[in-house]
Amino acid sequence: GAGVSQSPSNKVTEKGKDVELRCDPISGHTALYWYRQSLGQGLEFLIYFQGNSAPDKSGLPSDRFSAERTGGSVSTLTIQRTQQEDSAVYLCASSPRIGGPGAKNIQYFGAGTRLSVL
Amino acid sequence: GESVGLHLPTLSVQEGDNSIINCAYSNSASDYFIWYKQESGKGPQFIIDIRSNMDKRQGQRVTVLLNKTVKHLSLQIAATQPGDSAVYFCAETMDSNYQLIWGAGTKLIIKP
Repeated sequence: GAGVSQSPSNKVTEKGKDVELRCDPISGHTALYWYRQSLGQGLEFLIYFQGNSAPDKSGLPSDRFSAERTGGSVSTLTIQRTQQEDSAVYLCASSPRIGGPGAKNIQYFGAGTRLSVL
Repeated sequence: GESVGLHLPTLSVQEGDNSIINCAYSNSASDYFIWYKQESGKGPQFIIDIRSNMDKRQGQRVTVLLNKTVKHLSLQIAATQPGDSAVYFCAETMDSNYQLIWGAGTKLIIKP
């Protein structure tokens, strides 16, 4: 597709269940980011992937959160044993090129997955 | 005018007037700045960017101003329209960094 695609768009789950959120970045984009956005708040960085390099996981809030990126393209964010405080919109973004003089770190976002933990 | 709400600062503007959204950035070493627009139920969308060697850049109905002396960034929207209603985020970064530092966001409300 032309843009970043995220699925599902909405997910309702029960406390304690595991969830998987999927992100299809723009074709050819080497960088991929996951963010979390609570209602009426800004963006909270979770994790960053760049090509085959080790991901930057510094934003993951707990060890219940993990993410992988297969083949340098599709990424999955997994939340284990969900808690009510995990309820938020999870946004994925991709970017074509990172770093270097004159680089433009413009991130292109999907519409997000709205997660509700009951 | 501007007010701090429960979550995001809010700016209310009459339709047809010009809007000015302000952002104080944190790192004097940042050399690239971006404005994003986030409409309800959507992800942030790139609007306009500016490098630190510039102090003004114009797009279609939008202008970004950069004041490095006081670390201030502003987004001006001319002739505000109902479709401009959204939350606006500023972001800063350095060429050597893959991370964007995001501002808190400002909610723009257009009064008919």
